[in-house]
Amino acid sequence: AQSVSQHNHHVILSEAASLELGCNYSYGGTVNLFWYVQYPGQHLQLLLKYFSGDPLVKGIKGFEAEFIKSKFSFNLRKPSVQWSDTAEYFCAVNAGGSPGGGADGLTFGKGTHLIIQP
Amino acid sequence: GAVVSQHPSRVICKSGTSVKIECRSLDFQATTMFWYRQFPKQSLMLMATSNEGSKATYEQGVEKDKFLINHASLTLSTLTVTSAHPEDSSFYICSASSPGRDEQFFGPGTRLTVL
Repeated sequence: AQSVSQHNHHVILSEAASLELGCNYSYGGTVNLFWYVQYPGQHLQLLLKYFSGDPLVKGIKGFEAEFIKSKFSFNLRKPSVQWSDTAEYFCAVNAGGSPGGGADGLTFGKGTHLIIQP
Repeated sequence: GAVVSQHPSRVICKSGTSVKIECRSLDFQATTMFWYRQFPKQSLMLMATSNEGSKATYEQGVEKDKFLINHASLTLSTLTVTSAHPEDSSFYICSASSPGRDEQFFGPGTRLTVL
């Protein structure tokens, strides 16, 4: 069975600070990896995804993540955060190799509540 | 991006009644829809996967007779919580996908409160 661990449940940063949110997964096979964001009162939106290839993936709004297979990690980073980045961030995985990453249900981490102070 | 809606956004019901939640893909045909449940301050937990025209596949520990899922068309899936009890109070979220798409698109969720 798959599992996802997000180490930081609450993070508070000042604007312009750098961000790194940790995500580790447990699964015995190939995985697809995702980061989702949920702004207050809104639905989940995809930030970025990794299926294969270059382990450093870039997403929307200046976010990026690096897949490190040996560490089973997929940490999310942003060099300079903004007040508008205040949101809940979820790391998720599903089984890789499926016909498109959307074919299988996702296993989510518990989420990280990020607060950016002006 | 693709748009998924849910109705209702909030529902309050008495214990013992049944509640139906709709999930619609508005601008694409969703051959696969997923239902998740989110408890306060916790993660989303996959409840079931439904493919259009087929019976839903439930995750371990999810009662299929309590959480009835119907995916009769390519744009609509419904989740019916039968004989709801207070412990069923939660946030229910659906997502949708179609062949070849590499992500799921999420609805805004439905807050169920059972009194």
